Amino acid sequence: SQQGEEDPQALSIQEGENATMNCSYKTSINNLQWYRQNSGRGLVHLILIRSNEREKHSGRLRVTLDTSKKSSSLLITASRAADTASYFCATDESGANNLFFGTGTRLTVIP
Amino acid sequence: EAGVAQSPRYKIIEKRQSVAFWCNPISGHATLYWYQQILGQGPKLLIQFQNNGVVDDSQLPKDRFSAERLKGVDSTLKIQPAKLEDSAVYLCASSTRPLAGITDTQYFGPGTRLTVL
Repeated sequence: SQQGEEDPQALSIQEGENATMNCSYKTSINNLQWYRQNSGRGLVHLILIRSNEREKHSGRLRVTLDTSKKSSSLLITASRAADTASYFCATDESGANNLFFGTGTRLTVIP
Repeated sequence: EAGVAQSPRYKIIEKRQSVAFWCNPISGHATLYWYQQILGQGPKLLIQFQNNGVVDDSQLPKDRFSAERLKGVDSTLKIQPAKLEDSAVYLCASSTRPLAGITDTQYFGPGTRLTVL
């Protein structure tokens, strides 16, 4: 099994701009999940997209999944300073019964 | 709904000492996970419990790490003896039982930040 890899490793934008983070993985999956981690805190689940779904929305979040390319993207629209955090993708690999986390994207939103 | 509770939040020890972490999952969650998160990296699974049985401990350094989940609720993770490279945040998470091998949302506690000097 392989962890996902996020790209970019770090991203800095102005408040109000959109932020896009990408995740690539290597094996077949049941679902892919995105989590947020504020500095020094635990992870918070943002959104789950199943392998038979291509796009999902939740508030200002939009997630896409391309299983043929083994990649996913997370778009945060109209960013706010409070969105400053690290964002991780996690893959539920077929047959694994647990999640494999990527290395994360550190997002900084400048007020 | 109460979240996942962990204690202590911070711990500083010297190498070769022992340390234990405690986790109380969300009520009714059958699955409990312990992760190790080294600074700048994503969480790495150490051990997964289903009720009080171990599902996966393939990444647990069993010569020094041990974990138990008595009665299928609370869990403790122990390191004995600690090494410098054990410095990390130890995260506990819980979820409902996987359905047909599909992992559901995991709910994380605040973590314990361990520093080994």
